[in-house]
Amino acid sequence: EVQLVESGGGLVQPGGSLRLSCAVSGFTFSDHHMDWVRQAPGRGLEWLGRTKSKVRSYTTEYAASVKGRFTISRDDSKNSLYLQMNSLKTEDTAMYYCVRVTPVASRDALDLWGQGTMVTVSS
Amino acid sequence: AIQMTQSPSSLSASVGDRVTITCRTSQGIGNDLGWYQQKPGKAPKLLIYAASSLQSGVPSRFSGSGSGTDFTLTISSLQPEDFATYYCLHDYNYPLTFGPGTKVDIK
Repeated sequence: EVQLVESGGGLVQPGGSLRLSCAVSGFTFSDHHMDWVRQAPGRGLEWLGRTKSKVRSYTTEYAASVKGRFTISRDDSKNSLYLQMNSLKTEDTAMYYCVRVTPVASRDALDLWGQGTMVTVSS
Repeated sequence: AIQMTQSPSSLSASVGDRVTITCRTSQGIGNDLGWYQQKPGKAPKLLIYAASSLQSGVPSRFSGSGSGTDFTLTISSLQPEDFATYYCLHDYNYPLTFGPGTKVDIK
């Protein structure tokens, strides 16, 4: 079955750190760029960043709101994607989604989403 | 970063209605735009990519159009399962940005 399963969410204090994981199955993980997207409670979607595939040298891109605090990485041998979050703020409270990127018609489509893992930053 | 606007922010419609949602970008992006549907408590789902291409498995009542800075998502005949929030997303450059969303609810 093709799926993405996030884990690692929970309650963390402001200033703390958390590492999210996304386990991938059912497709060739190493062929795809992968994104993280989040959604604060009652708010819209926010793209956080991308790790590109091996053919693109695993290059990463980030949104300005998380650049320097969050790090996206992957382990193709484990079919896993990660999001290391440091210096967490209350405004980082959100559902975090792992997303597959598939090139279609020379465009990048976010075509497969995990169910999300909730991160709450609070004292 | 490219700024995204959507209109309306919400709308009420009846089953069978034709619904049109607009997305506008702060600079031209060719056709590097997708549309996503999100139902409460669920992950978003890709509907349209490259502005007008229908994702596999998505009903044909959904269509997308536009290029440059102005884009449209149309639902030709609204069905009960279409009540949801719809987001546009550009993938023209980094960072990608989503529109603020359009909530479609029952009239």
